Amino acid sequence: AQKVTQAQTEISVVEKEDVTLDCVYETRDTTYYLFWYKQPPSGELVFLIRRNSFDEQNEISGRYSWNFQKSTSSFNFTITASQVVDSAVYFCALSEEFITGGGNKLTFGTGTQLKVEL
Amino acid sequence: DSGVTQTPKHLITATGQRVTLRCSPRSGDLSVYWYQQSLDQGLQFLIQYYNGEERAKGNILERFSAQQFPDLHSELNLSSLELGDSALYFCASSDREQGTQYFGPGTRLLVL
Repeated sequence: AQKVTQAQTEISVVEKEDVTLDCVYETRDTTYYLFWYKQPPSGELVFLIRRNSFDEQNEISGRYSWNFQKSTSSFNFTITASQVVDSAVYFCALSEEFITGGGNKLTFGTGTQLKVEL
Repeated sequence: DSGVTQTPKHLITATGQRVTLRCSPRSGDLSVYWYQQSLDQGLQFLIQYYNGEERAKGNILERFSAQQFPDLHSELNLSSLELGDSALYFCASSDREQGTQYFGPGTRLLVL
């Protein structure tokens, strides 16, 4: 069975600080996909990134960066120079190897509430 | 804006009642997914449809059912509602069976 653990329930930082959100996953598959979604106070879920298990390159997108380490089953998310608008709940998610006709569900972690204050 | 639309945005109803939540996927997307977000259970996968056919089932109660229509919109029917069904219900869509899922704004259901 697949599982995603986000041990940090809530993080508070001051604007311009860097912050890292941790995500640890469990799966028996060798092929799988990892995701991060953002849920701002307005409630919608916003897709941030998708990474497949064969691509261990770190990715940077503006102030956002992701560190994927298969050896530790982790897919951590760093926000550099945080801003108040980054305040949201961030979810890490996992989907396992796809089998045609077998469906594609996301298993979510419990989320990390990030509060960025002035 | 993800391009996925959900109606209604809010729904208040009483225990024992039945409601229908509607979802229109992004243009061209064939797969539709339903998720429930509640305080005690977190974000839970309910069901997936691909081009009208059920593809995967998660923790969906027997009182709940869904379908995807020929025009690819989907409806989630919740019946014999209980207080514990109060939650935010999300629809997502993807272009392929295992494409990235893009979420709608959600329907917030309150059962009184």
